[in-house]
Amino acid sequence: DARVTQTPRHKVTEMGQEVTMRCQPILGHNTVFWYRQTMMQGLELLAYFRNRAPLDDSGMPKDRFSAEMPDATLATLKIQPSEPRDSAVYFCASARNGDPSYEQYFGPGTRLTVT
Amino acid sequence: LAKTTQPISMDSYEGQEVNITCSHNNIATNDYITWYQQFPSQGPRFIIQGYKTKVTNEVASLFIPADRKSSTLSLPRVSLSDTAVYYCLVGRGAGYSTLTFGKGTMLLVSP
Repeated sequence: DARVTQTPRHKVTEMGQEVTMRCQPILGHNTVFWYRQTMMQGLELLAYFRNRAPLDDSGMPKDRFSAEMPDATLATLKIQPSEPRDSAVYFCASARNGDPSYEQYFGPGTRLTVT
Repeated sequence: LAKTTQPISMDSYEGQEVNITCSHNNIATNDYITWYQQFPSQGPRFIIQGYKTKVTNEVASLFIPADRKSSTLSLPRVSLSDTAVYYCLVGRGAGYSTLTFGKGTMLLVSP
């Protein structure tokens, strides 16, 4: 049963520290999404990659957030420096390019707490 | 992207059928209608997708009228484990474009 994996599952850090979250998309999926979920804002799209190239990162605060895909099996989301308002659950999702289905496969999420 | 409107919350009891309606007045010709389910502490999970008329799978049914300006997710005989947030999304496939998740509908199923 293919799944999206995310690490770490939980992260507690102090304000100002760098945070790196990792995602392994499902093998063969070349579209990767990063989302952030909070009670107030719901599920927000941060960034979107296809074939490792960023297509849309307009939802991401550019001054502190960065997203990359070093290779087809790894996507990373970094926050530097982190702030308390970054506390949220960060989800990665993957999908097949050209698939008309809206089926995105979500990982379990990384729960980030910045104190 | 087509905007969707759905109820913030719904209550039901075990064994009942639940219908959640979503409005999407500005749906485009190429848009599909898709529903996701999210349990606490988990990522959303695809439930069902349709373009027009009716679609049924082992989990739910999706009813789409001819004008496609709304859709109804039908959950037959819900159980406590169906308590979750349900999201209605409209647009082209995930392989083509991004998705916009609204606030969803919180369904609470009671004994």
